[in-house]
This record gives sequence, C-alpha cells and structure tokens, in this order.
Amino acid sequence: DAGVTQSPTHLIKTRGQHVTLRCSPISGHKSVSWYQQVLGQGPQFIFQYYEKEERGRGNFPDRFSARQFPNYSSELNVNALLLGDSALYLCASSLWGLASGSYNEQFFGPGTRLTVL
Amino acid sequence: GQNIDQPTEMTATEGAIVQINCTYQTSGFNGLFWYQQHAGEAPTFLSYNVLDGLEEKGRFSSFLSRSKGYSYLLLKELQMKDSASYLCAVGSGNMLTFGGGTRLMVKP
Repeated sequence: DAGVTQSPTHLIKTRGQHVTLRCSPISGHKSVSWYQQVLGQGPQFIFQYYEKEERGRGNFPDRFSARQFPNYSSELNVNALLLGDSALYLCASSLWGLASGSYNEQFFGPGTRLTVL
Repeated sequence: GQNIDQPTEMTATEGAIVQINCTYQTSGFNGLFWYQQHAGEAPTFLSYNVLDGLEEKGRFSSFLSRSKGYSYLLLKELQMKDSASYLCAVGSGNMLTFGGGTRLMVKP
C-alpha cells in the first residue's frame, strides 16, 4: 500500500513568489494536516483538514492557505514568500480528525524541502 | 497557549537505557504522542498515551501523568540505529503541538 505522498520533493523560490505544495493521503484517510519544520526544531502545526473542511489552524499568517479536495488530497499555498519560510513542509494523514479523542495515529509523508532565496 | 518542553540533546551508550522527559501545558488534551525522526526523514510514530500509566512496546515504553503534565519515553537496550531526534507531541482540540525534539546520540 502507498503511504503519504508529497510533491515536489524539493523547491527553490525567490522572495515574493508564490508556492503550491501537494499531498496525497493514505487511501481511506479523511484527515490531512500540514506542518512546517525549520532545521533543528520540531514540526509546527499549520492546518488540519477533515472531510474537506478546515478544522484547525496554527499561528501562521494569512499568507498561508490550504484546501482539501473531494478525493481527500490537499494543497498548501504560500503567498509572498519570505526567507523565513524556508523549511521542510510535512503533510500527515489520519483516519479521523485530530479532535476525535481516540487513538488516531498520523502518518507523515517525506516532506517538501522549500528554499527561499 | 501551548507549551511543550523536552531536553535538546542527550547522549547514551550502546546497550544502555535512556529516559527522555517531556513536560507540557496545553489547553485541552486528546493524547500524547512520541515520534522518532532520523535526520532528513519524516517522523515515524512510536507511541500514544491518553490514560495515566505506562505503555510498553518492545524496547520502547512511554509513561504519562496527566495531573503533572508529564511524560517520558524509555528506550532500553540502546542500538546505534536509535540515534535520532525524539519528538513529544500533544493533541488538543483540532491541533497537534510538537516540542522542539530531543536529539539522542548513541555511542559505542
């Protein structure tokens, strides 16, 4: 069975540009979460989508947006890129939403390494 | 706010036992997760605690005390391949908050 897939693997952009990152969850999973991981730090929660609706949002500016499609795949969009947006962007899928209150393991994809010059 | 603390680095010897501590202060609690992350790779799930007590899974065990806002991950019979970052994460509401990670170096 395929795990969580993300594309592209690596990306180089310049300040002010826009980027779209893509994620396909494990088949049958209805929840996708996005995280930003700066080198040497733990992942920081950006968004959670469950059943195509935004269910959670972390402390990120409005330049970050996301959506989930009917097939449960998801896109993360970042506008007006800043140097500080350089990071590994991780997507994780799970069966249920994060607030399910029960065992709900998240499976992480390999990530997209974004470099902003 | 959400606050999760864990040591930045630890060093241990192959074959030994190491305990990685995590303290947390969060608004709401759905459960506490431990993940392992090797350099340049995605995090992989190790354990989940939602009730107080010890959960054992092979060489890895995780403990939770909700009243103290405290958890630890115990790694036994350390192997060189256990050198990695260990991430403590707390679920609350519709968020999952990670600590900064503990980088564990296992030496021969």
